[in-house]
Amino acid sequence: EAQVTQNPRYLITVTGKKLTVTCSQNMNHEYMSWYRQDPGLGLRQIYYSMNVEVTDKGDVPEGYKVSRKEKRNFPLILESPSPNQTSLYFCASSVVPVAGTEAFFGQGTRLTVV
Amino acid sequence: QKEVEQNSGPLSVPEGAIASLNCTYSDRVSQSFFWYRQYSGKSPELIMSIYSNGDKEDGRFTAQLNKASQYVSLLIRDSQPSDSATYLCAASKYGNKLVFGAGTILRVKS
Repeated sequence: EAQVTQNPRYLITVTGKKLTVTCSQNMNHEYMSWYRQDPGLGLRQIYYSMNVEVTDKGDVPEGYKVSRKEKRNFPLILESPSPNQTSLYFCASSVVPVAGTEAFFGQGTRLTVV
Repeated sequence: QKEVEQNSGPLSVPEGAIASLNCTYSDRVSQSFFWYRQYSGKSPELIMSIYSNGDKEDGRFTAQLNKASQYVSLLIRDSQPSDSATYLCAASKYGNKLVFGAGTILRVKS
């Protein structure tokens, strides 16, 4: 089954404790990206990757890091989480390196930073 | 001003009616436009994409694009209760960056 898998689905952590949210896709997609979704603000792009070892900032990259060492994986790293990073996070992948054809989203990760 | 703006709603329509969802964008270099549907607690799913001026139809859905007015719309014919969801409008520019509106809540009443 074609899918984008995020883990964990839910996470409560404390301020400053480094965490990683994993994202994996099994469709051999080149394009992957991370979004956060907040009430009234919609989905905002954090980082995206056009291919292995190629990443770039989206609209709200501050406080986040990403890496793309393998085509299938695109982890999101919060080195020192803060309460303003409490949000719903989505990973997405696309069959072509065009942002808008993101046909596949992961299930989402609800992160709470206390 | 937000790059992509939508009325947050909720937009309420009776079952069987046409639901009309609207979206405006501020950056004229935006090239491609998309409508996503998101059910509560679920991930967004792409339902329509449109790249050139005019209408594009897919089943009960019609996307309309007017680049001169910087306006995108989505019409849902014969609305069903299962269409009740949040509809996200998105614009892409430079082929890479995707900007979403905050979404419009649609409620279809049976």
